[in-house]
Amino acid sequence: NAGVMQNPRHLVRRRGQEARLRCSPMKGHSHVYWYRQLPEEGLKFMVYLQKENIIDESGMPKERFSAEFPKEGPSILRIQQVVRGDSAAYFCASSDDRGRTEAFFGQGTRLTVV
Amino acid sequence: DQQVKQNSPSLSVQEGRISILNCDYTNSMFDYFLWYKKYPAEGPTFLISISSIKDKNEDGRFTVFLNKSAKHLSLHIVPSQPGDSAVYFCAARAGYSGAGSYQLTFGKGTKLSVIP
Repeated sequence: NAGVMQNPRHLVRRRGQEARLRCSPMKGHSHVYWYRQLPEEGLKFMVYLQKENIIDESGMPKERFSAEFPKEGPSILRIQQVVRGDSAAYFCASSDDRGRTEAFFGQGTRLTVV
Repeated sequence: DQQVKQNSPSLSVQEGRISILNCDYTNSMFDYFLWYKKYPAEGPTFLISISSIKDKNEDGRFTVFLNKSAKHLSLHIVPSQPGDSAVYFCAARAGYSGAGSYQLTFGKGTKLSVIP
């Protein structure tokens, strides 16, 4: 009865490297949401995906960030050429319909860019 | 432009007393409100929610009150316990269908400390 699983829990990258964050939704959930929490801030919506489809990426920075949720395997949030400002906690949530139920969150990935 | 505001960054309460956490919102399209509890190094955990057609929802020690005219909601915890010490986030969702209806808009959180 696993919840939303995110890995890695902590990720350190040098400026200019790529960061890949993984999220496996709860069993039976086909909707995935990514949120970012900057220090001293609330969580900010980034992107909403269903299997093989990006439904809404209005919260994603226009450059360097991308997300996917393939037919098989976890959802991936990819950040290319990371900068110090990307340092944050990235949370994934999943739900079993179009967000009309309370989304369940993973434990997050803490990204540190050095 | 914060649409969900939690104006108290922190709150200390004695064990056994009532904790009241407040939240204000500005977007009149919000029609569903949620409270999440978050421990350090963990993800937010859903606590309780309320639809805009109600003004109160109760679940055990937790009660959420909604005042639509004031665009204000509050979370009451009675009695408070040391294990309640955490950061509490208020979140809101717009009710219209289409883009954004699934997005949660979060406040910055209130850190609750329950003193034994």
